[in-house]
Amino acid sequence: KQEVTQIPAALSVPEGENLVLNCSFTDSAIYNLQWFRQDPGKGLTSLLLIQSSQREQTSGRLNASLDKSSGRSTLYIAASQPGDSATYLCAVGVSGYALNFGKGTSLLVTP
Amino acid sequence: SQTIHQWPATLVQPVGSPLSLECTVEGTSNPNLYWYRQAAGRGLQLLFYSVGIGQISSEVPQNLSASRPQDRQFILSSKKLLLSDSGFYLCAWSEQSNEKLFFGSGTQLSVL
Repeated sequence: KQEVTQIPAALSVPEGENLVLNCSFTDSAIYNLQWFRQDPGKGLTSLLLIQSSQREQTSGRLNASLDKSSGRSTLYIAASQPGDSATYLCAVGVSGYALNFGKGTSLLVTP
Repeated sequence: SQTIHQWPATLVQPVGSPLSLECTVEGTSNPNLYWYRQAAGRGLQLLFYSVGIGQISSEVPQNLSASRPQDRQFILSSKKLLLSDSGFYLCAWSEQSNEKLFFGSGTQLSVL
């Protein structure tokens, strides 16, 4: 069974810092990997989708990388802002339909 | 543009009562539809997905069922709720398989 782990579970940084969130998975046979953002009590917002044949995706201040052979992905956030405070979830596509989610990293960016 | 609507936002139900959560998608046709559950301290769990009207696949056998009576409508039901059914239920859609997933705002269900 595909296990997805996110480290750290929580992170607090001052505004302006660049930061990296980590995601690891146990089975390299994946369809894709997605990063989501979740605000408290809200649904998930899709940030980036990396297909299994890709190595990275970028959107604005966000960059996600994928290394299937080592079972790792990182989400890089540049010049963090208080509005970036949220829980970030990594999800691995284990079939065309099913995603296995990590438990998330709770990020707090302080002014 | 596409939008997804999910209701109600919160629900408190007694054990043994029935459940019906509804989700609709606008601005697209023949989407893949999904029901996820997020329990406290646990990751999101896929409950059901549907690739078309009347086509439902269950990922986890349990006390719940799903139906897709119309192309852009997905319903999660239970005949008798259990305490363990409490959680945050999220509806989602994608254009096709292996594509970005777009989530609704969720329903917080408390079974007492």
